[in-house]
Amino acid sequence: DAGITQSPRYKITETGRQVTLMCHQTWSHSYMFWYRQDLGHGLRLIYYSAAADITDKGEVPDGYVVSRSKTENFPLTLESATRSQTSVYFCASSDPLQGAVYEQYFGPGTRLTVT
Amino acid sequence: GQSLEQPSEVTAVEGAIVQINCTYQTSGFYGLSWYQQHDGGAPTFLSYNALDGLEETGRFSSFLSRSDSYGYLLLQELQMKDSASYFCVCGKGSQGNLIFGKGTKLSVKP
Repeated sequence: DAGITQSPRYKITETGRQVTLMCHQTWSHSYMFWYRQDLGHGLRLIYYSAAADITDKGEVPDGYVVSRSKTENFPLTLESATRSQTSVYFCASSDPLQGAVYEQYFGPGTRLTVT
Repeated sequence: GQSLEQPSEVTAVEGAIVQINCTYQTSGFYGLSWYQQHDGGAPTFLSYNALDGLEETGRFSSFLSRSDSYGYLLLQELQMKDSASYFCVCGKGSQGNLIFGKGTKLSVKP
């Protein structure tokens, strides 16, 4: 029962490089989400997806790209990393058929540092 | 715009009761959730209130008043393991678009 996993767990990259953070869930939840967490800001929603091939912007989408070709995967790409994107990134999933869509299950997080 | 206000820090002793308040301002309000996060860990879901009133789950209870744009999380019989950050979270619309408060850091002392 793997649940929801993220990879890598830690990543250091340079300004301007493209970085992809992976998220995989084994529950077949329809909804998936990407958040970033920074000191003083709590968690902020970057993008979310209601189903495969359906994505929508959250509060802070600029500089990020997502795709969802399969229900279980929801990768997040930083097209050209900037220092302001240094953060901890959390992926989450939920299934409104099993409970409220607001009952989200979070992955362990990816700590990204952009130098 | 949307905003949620909650205290930044709360300290209590083991065995006590603590209440963490949350006021919100949001359009398209859909419900109030609470999440717990230990240092270095991931947020975990605690409760969700779609309607006014009290929801109880073991030692934790959550309350919502839509007319007052207010809710709270009540933790009873505090244990050391309850030391964590607690986030009140607004649902905006039905699509799972969540707005997180900045969190309340609870420290439980022996």
